[in-house]
Amino acid sequence: AQSVTQLGSHVSVSEGALVLLRCNYSSSVPPYLFWYVQYPNQGLQLLLKYTSAATLVKGINGFEAEFKKSETSFHLTKPSAHMSDAAEYFCAVSGNRDDKIIFGKGTRLHILP
Amino acid sequence: DVKVTQSSRYLVKRTGEKVFLECVQDMDHENMFWYRQDPGLGLRLIYFSYDVKMKEKGDIPEGYSVSREKKERFSLILESASTNQTSMYLCASSLGQGPFFANTGELFFGEGSRLTVL
Repeated sequence: AQSVTQLGSHVSVSEGALVLLRCNYSSSVPPYLFWYVQYPNQGLQLLLKYTSAATLVKGINGFEAEFKKSETSFHLTKPSAHMSDAAEYFCAVSGNRDDKIIFGKGTRLHILP
Repeated sequence: DVKVTQSSRYLVKRTGEKVFLECVQDMDHENMFWYRQDPGLGLRLIYFSYDVKMKEKGDIPEGYSVSREKKERFSLILESASTNQTSMYLCASSLGQGPFFANTGELFFGEGSRLTVL
């Protein structure tokens, strides 16, 4: 069975600073890993997805995430935060045909001017 | 552009009422899902469907039922609404029939339906 833990329900960074949102997963099989973003009053949209093709995954809006098997982590980063990045971010994991996608509890990113 | 449309953005209902939440997708996706989203709990899967007339229970199906009479439409039904069902409900769809694609593919979400049960 899969599980996912997002460290920090709220993260604040200054505009222009590095964004780092942490995600650790547990999976008994090679995982599929996802980051979704939810802007205020909207549904979720996919930022990026890991499917074992490459450990560094680039997504939309300048975000990227690195799969580290030894650390069971899939942290999301962006070199320079923008005010428009303020949103809630969800990490998700699934395993194979029998494992539904499991979402983390979310991290709300606040951007300070 | 892909589109998942949820019929009502905001609903207020009374305890005991029957509630229908409608979701339509225009992408010809096989898989459709209903989640509820609560602060601090993330998204929890209520029901999902791989095909027309098919439905599968998710992690929290109690108090809910679903209907999928047409490929593009997936309805969530609360037979007798209760205050603990006050929540944000999110519909999603994905391409590719069956559990493998449902569990590994990109989910496309609607904007959500915020239900308040008084």
